[in-house]
Amino acid sequence: DTAVSQTPKYLVTQMGNDKSIKCEQNLGHDTMYWYKQDSKKFLKIMFSYNNKELIINETVPNRFSPKSPDKAHLNLHINSLELGDSAVYFCASSQSETQYFGPGTRLLVL
Amino acid sequence: RKEVEQDPGPFNVPEGATVAFNCTYSNSASQSFFWYRQDCRKEPKLLMSVYSSGNEDGRFTAQLNRASQYISLLIRDSKLSDSATYLCAVNPPGTYKYIFGTGTRLKVLA
Repeated sequence: DTAVSQTPKYLVTQMGNDKSIKCEQNLGHDTMYWYKQDSKKFLKIMFSYNNKELIINETVPNRFSPKSPDKAHLNLHINSLELGDSAVYFCASSQSETQYFGPGTRLLVL
Repeated sequence: RKEVEQDPGPFNVPEGATVAFNCTYSNSASQSFFWYRQDCRKEPKLLMSVYSSGNEDGRFTAQLNRASQYISLLIRDSKLSDSATYLCAVNPPGTYKYIFGTGTRLKVLA
């Protein structure tokens, strides 16, 4: 059973397009996150939701909009994609201190 | 000074060797520390939490040095399967945020 799942696994798209990435966790956790890992492997937090409420919003362009329809889901919508958005996007969830990551979505913007 | 810093490596060690990595953090009030392992093209997975008194899990030992503000990970009797990138993570006080280091790459050679 997959604890944290993301779709799609790969996403190749043109600059200027709008795309969404979905994340679901079946662990019953209250807190979910989106991270971006760039080509230098730096893993940086973007957003966090706790019980559907936004609690962390790092300095991310407002082209990125997270949405949490319920505690088990945290989606990420990206408008007007740019070349610099190419990265691996990881969703994660946590209850106490341990974070569980999804398998990542590899986004390539051409 | 970066919030969390690691030597990127790579550390190339022969099988059976003992290897240690350090990770420095800037917020002296941080309370929670972790080591994650990330295999190539995979998601980070929790290796171990780091407790104040130090802790061990098989061949892996984690230690915290509050005075010098660093955590360490010691791997004894390295195996080929230990080859991966090791990320440290720090949870600053009063936040849900986890700040990751850029990771230290380990290659265990036959």
